[in-house]
Amino acid sequence: AAGVIQSPRHLIKEKRETATLKCYPIPRHDTVYWYQQGPGQDPQFLISFYEKMQSDKGSIPDRFSAQQFSDYHSELNMSSLELGDSALYFCASSSYVRLAGFTGELFFGEGSRLTVL
Amino acid sequence: AQTVTQSQPEMSVQEAETVTLSCTYDTSESDYYLFWYKQPPSRQMILVIRQEAYKQQNATENRFSVNFQKAAKSFSLKISDSQLGDAAMYFCAYRPFSGGYNKLIFGAGTRLAVHP
Repeated sequence: AAGVIQSPRHLIKEKRETATLKCYPIPRHDTVYWYQQGPGQDPQFLISFYEKMQSDKGSIPDRFSAQQFSDYHSELNMSSLELGDSALYFCASSSYVRLAGFTGELFFGEGSRLTVL
Repeated sequence: AQTVTQSQPEMSVQEAETVTLSCTYDTSESDYYLFWYKQPPSRQMILVIRQEAYKQQNATENRFSVNFQKAAKSFSLKISDSQLGDAAMYFCAYRPFSGGYNKLIFGAGTRLAVHP
């Protein structure tokens, strides 16, 4: 079965540079979530999109922005990178409605590991 | 505010023994889901088990089972016949379903060590 695809898997950037992470949700999933997980921490919710509109916003810095495109893939843009942005960034997808087989879970990608030097 | 609390930062168990990880949550919602996710050193987020709040029967997946106490807002995970591969960080997570696109709220996690 198709899973959530994230790219790139690893990314190394210098301070003050810009990075873009991409997420391709499971087909027929209309909602995308972004989480940030620092070392030894639990995943922190950043932002989510439903049908290309922002549906919820968490602890996302102003330096970050995101959007969901017409094909439902999403991109997280991070500018003026700081050392503290080094983390694992997860994308997850789900279906808004209770389709057949709906389980309520969010399906996670394998994450994009960002290292800021 | 909806919160998830895991009061055990670390737990350890002997191989083949049983261990229980604790989780409590706070919510005023009536329709929600609860999950346990496993995160091994690879840091991939792997779903272990799920529970729908409207189901009274505790979920079971092979060696993994939960004790869901809705009134007490408690959702513990029991791992039977522990294996070395069970060693990982375990996150309890809660998801309300009032809006369809509600986010997943995680607890702080419990690091489980399995000793041979």
